[in-house]
Amino acid sequence: GESVGLHLPTLSVQEGDNSIINCAYSNSASDYFIWYKQESGKGPQFIIDIRSNMDKRQGQRVTVLLNKTVKHLSLQIAATQPGDSAVYFCAEKGGNTPLVFGKGTRLSVIA
Amino acid sequence: DGGITQSPKYLFRKEGQNVTLSCEQNLNHDAMYWYRQDPGQGLRLIYYSQIVNDFQKGDIAEGYSVSREKKESFPLTVTSAQKNPTAFYLCASSIETGRGGYTFGSGTRLTVV
Repeated sequence: GESVGLHLPTLSVQEGDNSIINCAYSNSASDYFIWYKQESGKGPQFIIDIRSNMDKRQGQRVTVLLNKTVKHLSLQIAATQPGDSAVYFCAEKGGNTPLVFGKGTRLSVIA
Repeated sequence: DGGITQSPKYLFRKEGQNVTLSCEQNLNHDAMYWYRQDPGQGLRLIYYSQIVNDFQKGDIAEGYSVSREKKESFPLTVTSAQKNPTAFYLCASSIETGRGGYTFGSGTRLTVV
């Protein structure tokens, strides 16, 4: 498969544990944030998004937290499963500008 | 099924050649994008288009060209002026540039031989 991010930060978690992936964004004017999941050899898939007027948003097994004061975004995955192993990207945008992506974090789930 | 299709999945180019990567979507999205992905780095924006017959340079447009003659299609040409073209290229689309998340294709891996 495609090598996506040979030198990315890696988070290793035990199957069944919760995972927390962090992202620092750069633009204080950004008002929309997205988390994507990318498996090897594939394009990124949308996981969850959040607008700047919110601090927290929950989906199925995932929660995104936004701290605008320190420009920090996190993705929490509950009960991590082997299928969650992938590279995770945060992305930000403000107004009518395209998404800007972070460098990504590789999540490795230990069975 | 609605989606975004990139072809080919793997592409090999000789030094000095131009190659064109295809991207087609049937989602009726107005905006389309090309990103480049290298190991250890995130996605970097090459070009984007908000409407037909209009496109803007992204952060790393040098050595690339695009066209947007149809809403459904946004081909990317990697020219011989691109000094380091070996990378994974991702195409995406969205309803509008300022709205919503992007739907990505499955990517094209370009290798210079």
